[in-house]
Formats: sequence, structure tokens, C-alpha cells
Amino acid sequence: GNSVTQMEGPVTLSEEAFLTINCTYTATGYPSLFWYVQYPGEGLQLLLKATKADDKGSNKGFEATYRKETTSFHLEKGSVQVSDSAVYFCAHQAGGTSYGKLTFGQGTILTVHP
Amino acid sequence: DAGVIQSPRHEVTEMGQEVTLRCKPISGHDYLFWYRQTMMRGLELLIYFNNNVPIDDSGMPEDRFSAKMPNASFSTLKIQPSEPRDSAVYFCASSLRGLVQETQYFGPGTRLLVL
Repeated sequence: GNSVTQMEGPVTLSEEAFLTINCTYTATGYPSLFWYVQYPGEGLQLLLKATKADDKGSNKGFEATYRKETTSFHLEKGSVQVSDSAVYFCAHQAGGTSYGKLTFGQGTILTVHP
Repeated sequence: DAGVIQSPRHEVTEMGQEVTLRCKPISGHDYLFWYRQTMMRGLELLIYFNNNVPIDDSGMPEDRFSAKMPNASFSTLKIQPSEPRDSAVYFCASSLRGLVQETQYFGPGTRLLVL
């Protein structure tokens, strides 16, 4: 079946450290892949996405590359800030259908200290 | 644009009471989704609508849960009777179309506590 697996958190980093949050997926067809971010007390918002193999999504210094051969979509940022503290969700939408049913990973809590 | 609007933001009720959560999607969006977020189960899709018609309600936990979308600008999620295990944050989201590359826009959520 379709599923998304993220590295377990919480992740605690110092400001300006390098961030990697691993994400792998299983899906039939050719899904689109997403990273959503949830700041405290708020709903989820799209951080970046990639719709086909080898695409790189990027936003606010975050990047993730759609790797079909390893079924992965790892999130990276070269230098994190305190304001990046949030919960990060990897998700996919199964391909081959006319609707976008998102399947989410369990979320990774990121805390960045000054 | 005001984004997806949900009300109430917080709801505290007693077991057995009826709870109604409300959602106004972004104007012009054809798809509306209801999600539930808990620590144990993460984010779960409960039901989604296309052009006000329910398409997939396989995620609805049981008959106590029902959802309606009487028009393009309003949807409700009702729990009757409510139970403590229904305590969660409920999110509504909408998208312009339901295509696989489409972004879903989430509301701020309703935090429900059933005592």
C-alpha cells in the first residue's frame, strides 16, 4: 500500500547547523512528493514539492530531491534558524488518479536553539 | 485571500454531546478535505469532497462521524455522540483541483477536547 516513513524525532540543533530529515515512501504509480511545515498553534503549510523523478523542490533555504531509485525525498537545509523550529511532514499524493489524496508521514519535531 | 477558515478554534465538551466543526474553503477551490491529527495516529484523512459531493469517506472512524457540504463555501464535520477518544485537532483543507501535483491549503484547525 501507500505509505510515508520519516526519521523519528525530535531533532534538536544549534542555530546555523546543517539539517537533514529523512523521508522514504512506498506508492503505486508516480506520486508527487511534498514537505509541509506546521508552526506551533497553526495549520500545515506547504514548504516545497516535486512532481517527478529528479525534480528538486526548494523554498526558504530548504531543499529536497525526488529520488525514484531510492524512493526518497530527504529534506535539507544548510543553516537552520531559530524560526525554523516546527513540525515537518513528508507526504505524497498517489499518481494515476484524478484526485490528490495526501498520505502523510508521522512528522518530525525540529527545535533550533540560539 | 483569507485562506481556509475554521470555527471554532477550540472546543471543550462533555462525553455524549454533539460537536459541530465548521469550515469555509478558499473561494474557487473544488476540493475540500477533513483531517484529524492525534499524537498516536498522526494526520489522518477522514473524508473529502469534490464540487460538494463526498468522494471518499473511508477514513471516517465510525457512524458517530458525519460530514456535509451543502454548498461550495461551507462544510461541517459532526460528531454525535462525542467520546473522549475523539479529542484531537481537526483540520480542513482545500485545493483548486484534485490533481496529484496540487497543493492543499490548510486551515488553522479546531482543537477538540472531549471530557
